[in-house]
Amino acid sequence: DIQMTQSPSSLSASVGDRVTITCRASQSISSYLNWYQQKPGKAPKLLIYAASSLQSGVPSRFSGSGSGTDFTLTISSLQPEDFATYYCQQSYSNQYTFGQGTKLEIK
Amino acid sequence: EVQLVESGGGLVQPGGSLRLSCTASGFTVSTNYMNWVRQAPGKGLEWVSVIYSGGSIYYADSVKGRFTISRDNSKNTLYLQMNSLRAEDTAVYYCATPSGSIAARWTAFDSWGQGTLVTVSS
Repeated sequence: DIQMTQSPSSLSASVGDRVTITCRASQSISSYLNWYQQKPGKAPKLLIYAASSLQSGVPSRFSGSGSGTDFTLTISSLQPEDFATYYCQQSYSNQYTFGQGTKLEIK
Repeated sequence: EVQLVESGGGLVQPGGSLRLSCTASGFTVSTNYMNWVRQAPGKGLEWVSVIYSGGSIYYADSVKGRFTISRDNSKNTLYLQMNSLRAEDTAVYYCATPSGSIAARWTAFDSWGQGTLVTVSS
């Protein structure tokens, strides 16, 4: 099965900062990479699909890039509501594995 | 509006069984890729199983041979039969699906239920 590795596991940042989260696949997954945001006690929310396409209703400060094995999620200017945990997920194979998550905390 | 509502969670002893349900509204379960995703307390997301519109089924290695995914088209409901439960199966179980056509093309889960908690303990 395809393993997904995110870095960092946790990140402290301030409102207004630009932050980048990385996700690496154990084999090429083309652009079959999705990003989710999860807040405590809530179901995950889709942010980015197909590596770089913004889901409807998601603010434009979120962006995604990459293809093959290396991907990034960037938040251009952190807002208070962005402090959450972020997950990547590959949808290339029939076992849709997630990364281990990146917890974004307020500095 | 797409809505998914899970039920059936609870406390079960190791080695026991439980069946989870996910009732859908606003779309048809039989024409979507329906998934189960779980999250152990304080841990990350783990994909569990998928049933495709054509009926093909896949499982995570961690549950293969113990869990069975199915659907009842007449009730527009997805199920997860969980047998031989272990302590490490303790988690909130979500059903999730790509409900839009673009999301389906990329198998991105744009619709999620609220989750149901399964606790495996003696």
